[in-house]
Amino acid sequence: NAGVTQTPKFQVLKTGQSMTLQCAQDMNHNSMYWYRQDPGMGLRLIYYSASEGTTDKGEVPNGYNVSRLNKREFSLRLESAAPSQTSVYFCASNTGGSYNEQFFGPGTRLTVL
Amino acid sequence: AQKITQTQPGMFVQEKEAVTLDCTYDTSDPSYGLFWYKQPSSGEMIFLIYQGSYDQQNATEGRYSLNFQKARKSANLVISASQLGDSAMYFCAMSSTNTGGFKTIFGAGTRLFVKA
Repeated sequence: NAGVTQTPKFQVLKTGQSMTLQCAQDMNHNSMYWYRQDPGMGLRLIYYSASEGTTDKGEVPNGYNVSRLNKREFSLRLESAAPSQTSVYFCASNTGGSYNEQFFGPGTRLTVL
Repeated sequence: AQKITQTQPGMFVQEKEAVTLDCTYDTSDPSYGLFWYKQPSSGEMIFLIYQGSYDQQNATEGRYSLNFQKARKSANLVISASQLGDSAMYFCAMSSTNTGGFKTIFGAGTRLFVKA
């Protein structure tokens, strides 16, 4: 089992460029999440997908879009990158509900110049 | 609004000693879950321990225990017999059933340094 995988691991963009971060899990989890982590702060939820076919906004959704492609895959898209989106992005998954820990991917370090 | 507060930006502990990492939370939801995660310097997030708001007993997982004081809204992590490999960032987190359990919020973290 690979668990949660993310691609790419590192990315440098120029302001205004677009890109998609990919995430996949092989644990048959219903729910998937995208977080960003900035220095001195904990993780902040960008978007989540409670189940296949549904997506909802988290705490900091502005500037991002998501797609739950199927049960395994959940992508995060930056349409027009801004320096404020420089961060480490984590994808996570779990079986859903407040009683279940989340399993995290290794993260993507994104720099927007 | 829900909130997690970790007041210790950094903590030092001598190897083999116990250490307590503080976490206080604020919520009006009657049912919620509290989590601790570890983030080593390599960057991955590792789940450590979980406590449900209705659990009568404090959660334990090996050397980790959660000191849950509901009336004080605190969920401190206790690490016994610290090891050098425990040096990492530690995050307290909370989710509640009122948001379907999906909107987990995290504290800012505590960086633990274990001294040999």
